[in-house]
Amino acid sequence: EAQLVESGGGLVKPGGSLRLSCAASGFTFSNAWMTWVRQAPGKGLEWVGRIKSNSDGGTSEYAAPVKGRFTFSRDDSNNTLYLQMNSLKTEDTAVYYCATDCSGGSCYGGYFDFWGQGTLVTVSS
Amino acid sequence: DIQVTQSPPTLSASVGDRVTITCRASPSIGNWMAWYQQKPGKAPNLLIYKTSSLKSGVPSRFSGSGSGTEFSLTISSLQPDDFATYYCQQYYTFGQGTKLEIK
Repeated sequence: EAQLVESGGGLVKPGGSLRLSCAASGFTFSNAWMTWVRQAPGKGLEWVGRIKSNSDGGTSEYAAPVKGRFTFSRDDSNNTLYLQMNSLKTEDTAVYYCATDCSGGSCYGGYFDFWGQGTLVTVSS
Repeated sequence: DIQVTQSPPTLSASVGDRVTITCRASPSIGNWMAWYQQKPGKAPNLLIYKTSSLKSGVPSRFSGSGSGTEFSLTISSLQPDDFATYYCQQYYTFGQGTKLEIK
């Protein structure tokens, strides 16, 4: 079965940078669209954005609060997804989840099928 | 932007009860809704996709329905393991969540 494992979270000061990783196994990662979702402490789920498979163009979409500061990338040879976060703000404090994204490619329906366990990012001085 | 309004925010119920959670989407741009269950400290878990399709391994007491702007998740007979927070999702928008509590 699909498995996703996030890493790279931690404490960072406002204005700082952090890179999260999401290691994938149990499915054909190169064919998968991938999504990032975050959850601030005690709050609901917020979609951060997605990256398409390279066969579908490899392009990314970003939610308005992170556009211009966050960048998604993928290494299909190592089955790993990345989230580069720059110019971090206190409001970016959250658990960040990666998930498989059934919004296109070989999977339709607009839902997020498999999720990682999440990694906590804390932005504080 | 799509807005998804989920209700109720909290729901108190007993084991064996039938409960329904509703999401309203505006504007109506699709006929698909997904539903997730989340327990404290855990990742969300997909229950229902494409409005009414049950993910493999999810108990049949969970069901989804709806179209247009109104969608619902029904649990036919609550079990102790079902007390959790539930979220609906359409495209890139999640509902606010419904916390299902033991009465």
